[in-house]
Amino acid sequence: DVKVTQSSRYLVKRTGEKVFLECVQDMDHENMFWYRQDPGLGLRLIYFSYDVKMKEKGDIPEGYSVSREKKERFSLILESASTNQTSMYLCASTYPAPGQLNTGELFFGEGSRLTVL
Amino acid sequence: SQQGEEDPQALSIQEGENATMNCSYKTSINNLQWYRQNSGRGLVHLILIRSNEREKHSGRLRVTLDTSKKSSSLLITASRAADTASYFCATSPTGAGSYQLTFGKGTKLSVIP
Repeated sequence: DVKVTQSSRYLVKRTGEKVFLECVQDMDHENMFWYRQDPGLGLRLIYFSYDVKMKEKGDIPEGYSVSREKKERFSLILESASTNQTSMYLCASTYPAPGQLNTGELFFGEGSRLTVL
Repeated sequence: SQQGEEDPQALSIQEGENATMNCSYKTSINNLQWYRQNSGRGLVHLILIRSNEREKHSGRLRVTLDTSKKSSSLLITASRAADTASYFCATSPTGAGSYQLTFGKGTKLSVIP
C-alpha cells in the first residue's frame, strides 16, 4: 500500500521558534509538494520539488524553506514561526504523468496541524 | 493562484439522493482531478479525466469535462452517509514543466441518514 507519512499530526510552537515538518514517501516518486490549507482559502502550494536537491517556489513561499536531500524525504522549514502560519500543512507526492511533464494523481499524507502561539 | 472553483460551496442532501458538484477553471489544462477529504484528514484521489476525454466513471462516481466551457462536474449517485466529506477539483495546466496541481476551495457535502 502506498504511503506518505508526515512526522507530526499536531504541533504547538511559540512565535519565533524554528519548526521542521517532515514528510516521507515510500513510492519512489520524483515529485513532492507542500501545501497549506486554511478555511475559505483552500489548498495553496508553498513549495515543490521534482528531484533531489531541486526545489521550486509555489504560490506562497514567503516565510518557508524546504530541503530535499533524499528522494523519499521532503522537509518544510519555518525559520521563525509566526501566528499567521497557524494552519494545516499537507505533504503530497506523485510521479510525472506518463508521456507528460504534468502531474498525475497526488498521494497525500494525513496532514500536520500547526498552532503557533 | 487558485484556478479551479467549486460550486456550490456547501451541499446537504438525504441519503440515497444524487449529489452534483461543479468546477470551473480558467486556463488550458492537461487533466482535471477530483479529490475527497474527510474532516481533519489528508486528501484522497478519486478520479482523473484527461483533456481529450469527456466523461469518466468509477463506481458511483461520474465525472464530465467540457473544455470549451472550462468546466467539470462530479456526480455521486445513491449517496451514503459515508460520502460526507469535502470534495476538491484540481487542475494540471498545460505548458512545459507544469508539475503543479492547482486546487479549488472545495464543496462541503453533507449526506443526512
